[in-house]
Amino acid sequence: AQTVTQSQPEMSVQEAETVTLSCTYDTSENNYYLFWYKQPPSRQMILVIRQEAYKQQNATENRFSVNFQKAAKSFSLKISDSQLGDTAMYFCAFTGGSQGNLIFGKGTKLSVKP
Amino acid sequence: DTGVSQDPRHKITKRGQNVTFRCDPISEHNRLYWYRQTLGQGPEFLTYFQNEAQLEKSRLLSDRFSAERPKGSFSTLEIQRTEQGDSAMYLCASSSPVWDREGEKLFFGSGTQLSVL
Repeated sequence: AQTVTQSQPEMSVQEAETVTLSCTYDTSENNYYLFWYKQPPSRQMILVIRQEAYKQQNATENRFSVNFQKAAKSFSLKISDSQLGDTAMYFCAFTGGSQGNLIFGKGTKLSVKP
Repeated sequence: DTGVSQDPRHKITKRGQNVTFRCDPISEHNRLYWYRQTLGQGPEFLTYFQNEAQLEKSRLLSDRFSAERPKGSFSTLEIQRTEQGDSAMYLCASSSPVWDREGEKLFFGSGTQLSVL
């Protein structure tokens, strides 16, 4: 079975600091995609960043970057220069099939403090 | 196109009543998904359409739940004889065709929050 595990239920960071959210996954597939989604209090799921498993280079999107360790099945999200607007639930997600069905972790609640 | 839209945003119903939710995907997206999210949890997959064909259903989708996408555009999710355990956020998402370079990206609507009293 494919699973996604987020071991940090809650985290906090000071504004302008850097924070890393952890995610591990389990799959027997070789080709797959990994994602981080953000869900602010409005509850709209917003795609933050994605990583293709066949690419060794870690994905980056402005202040967001990932550390993808395929052998360890680890996919962490680093947020640099944290902003108050980054306060949200962050979900790690995986898809391995052509249908695109996402499997989500339970989420990490991130609070950015002024 | 402004993205995936869902209607209504909120629904309060009494136990035993039927409810129906609507989802309008991004116009060029042929794939549509329904997810359920309970408080403090990540979204859980319910069902998936490619065009009008329902290709996958989760075991979470009991026989009280039915989803349709009659013309391959909007979709409806109906829950019959609602139970208190059905209270959750129901999220709809869509994605472009599988051959599209970014076909694996899901775009979500704002969800329908269901409360069963």
